[in-house]
Amino acid sequence: DQQVKQNSPSLSVQEGRISILNCDYTNSMFDYFLWYKKYPAEGPTFLISISSIKDKNEDGRFTVFLNKSAKHLSLHIVPSQPGDSAVYFCAARSNSGYALNFGKGTSLLVTP
Amino acid sequence: DAGITQSPRHKVTETGTPVTLRCHQTENHRYMYWYRQDPGHGLRLIHYSYGVKDTDKGEVSDGYSVSRSKTEDFLLTLESATSSQTSVYFCAISEGVGPYEQYFGPGTRLTVT
Repeated sequence: DQQVKQNSPSLSVQEGRISILNCDYTNSMFDYFLWYKKYPAEGPTFLISISSIKDKNEDGRFTVFLNKSAKHLSLHIVPSQPGDSAVYFCAARSNSGYALNFGKGTSLLVTP
Repeated sequence: DAGITQSPRHKVTETGTPVTLRCHQTENHRYMYWYRQDPGHGLRLIHYSYGVKDTDKGEVSDGYSVSRSKTEDFLLTLESATSSQTSVYFCAISEGVGPYEQYFGPGTRLTVT
């Protein structure tokens, strides 16, 4: 059963605008959340993370928001650039283990 | 970039043959992982290792075995490859004790005919 869900398989955004990628989870034992970016024929690249004790983490153009009560997190990219076009995976770690649970990914296309 | 290499990068094999994929790291990280990526499934954990000779099963471990005799190497073996094991395989590493980020290798594309 999928514990991390990315319900939007794809998203298209114009260059310069905000991209918002969403992720929902079902396991209340998750205590650490991560976003990965993946280009074709490459391995996933770590982008940004957030601990469950925080509700926001920012790194340059990337901000992750966590709403624990709703079991929801989102990744905001501002401003979006064509080089941001990739598949984005949301992942979560349980406080009882070291493995990551991944969502199915959202394919972002940033158009000029 | 984390020093992770995977070999081979591409492999085509026949059903029923054994296959071994290798992951090599130069970061001296304690934890190593094998994932597979399939359309519509994202990344799924096959096996992981939390130290030399210490391994455990992941979500989709059936048909796979692993070994780790040195910190830097983690091997994934398909004892008798099946067409359902056609996939892209990624190795990842992490320090294990905060931060919890995992760093991924470039992947191995395996096709079982």
